[in-house]
Amino acid sequence: AQSVTQLGSHVSVSEGALVLLRCNYSSSVPPYLFWYVQYPNQGLQLLLKYTTGATLVKGINGFEAEFKKSETSFHLTKPSAHMSDAAEYFCAVSDGSGYSTLTFGKGTMLLVSP
Amino acid sequence: DAGVIQSPRHEVTEMGQEVTLRCKPISGHNSLFWYRQTMMRGLELLIYFNNNVPIDDSGMPEDRFSAKMPNASFSTLKIQPSEPRDSAVYFCASSLASGTGGETQYFGPGTRLLVL
Repeated sequence: AQSVTQLGSHVSVSEGALVLLRCNYSSSVPPYLFWYVQYPNQGLQLLLKYTTGATLVKGINGFEAEFKKSETSFHLTKPSAHMSDAAEYFCAVSDGSGYSTLTFGKGTMLLVSP
Repeated sequence: DAGVIQSPRHEVTEMGQEVTLRCKPISGHNSLFWYRQTMMRGLELLIYFNNNVPIDDSGMPEDRFSAKMPNASFSTLKIQPSEPRDSAVYFCASSLASGTGGETQYFGPGTRLLVL
């Protein structure tokens, strides 16, 4: 069975500062890993995903994440936070079962202050 | 292209009433998922379908919840009778599952349900 742990339910940064949101996963098979973003009163939107190949994955809005198998991690980063990045971020893992089911973490709320 | 469409966007009802939530997946997608999101429990997978067939409904909280997918372009989630603890945001998502995994799920805007 898969599981996802997101460290920190809330992360606060200043505008222009580095954003780092942590995600660790547990999977019995090579995982597919996802980051989704949820803006207030909206559905979840894909930021980026890792399936195979290059372990550093670039996504929308300047975000990127690196798959580290030895650390079972898939942390999300952005060099410089913008006010518009304030949202909730979810890490998810797929077991490749063929039905594209996802196991989500509990989410991390990113707060950006001016 | 239209994304996943959900209706209604907001629903307020009284305890004991029947509630029906509707979802239209992205055209051509073959997998459909229903989720519930609350502050206390986060995002929970309720049930998912593949090619209109329910694959796993182990996340459905109890018999008051039922879901159907009569065709590839429509699904419903029904709660009968509704209770205040069912108040949540319900999301529908769809994907094109190829059998290899790693496919993206596309989420609808959600239905915000309040049961009084």
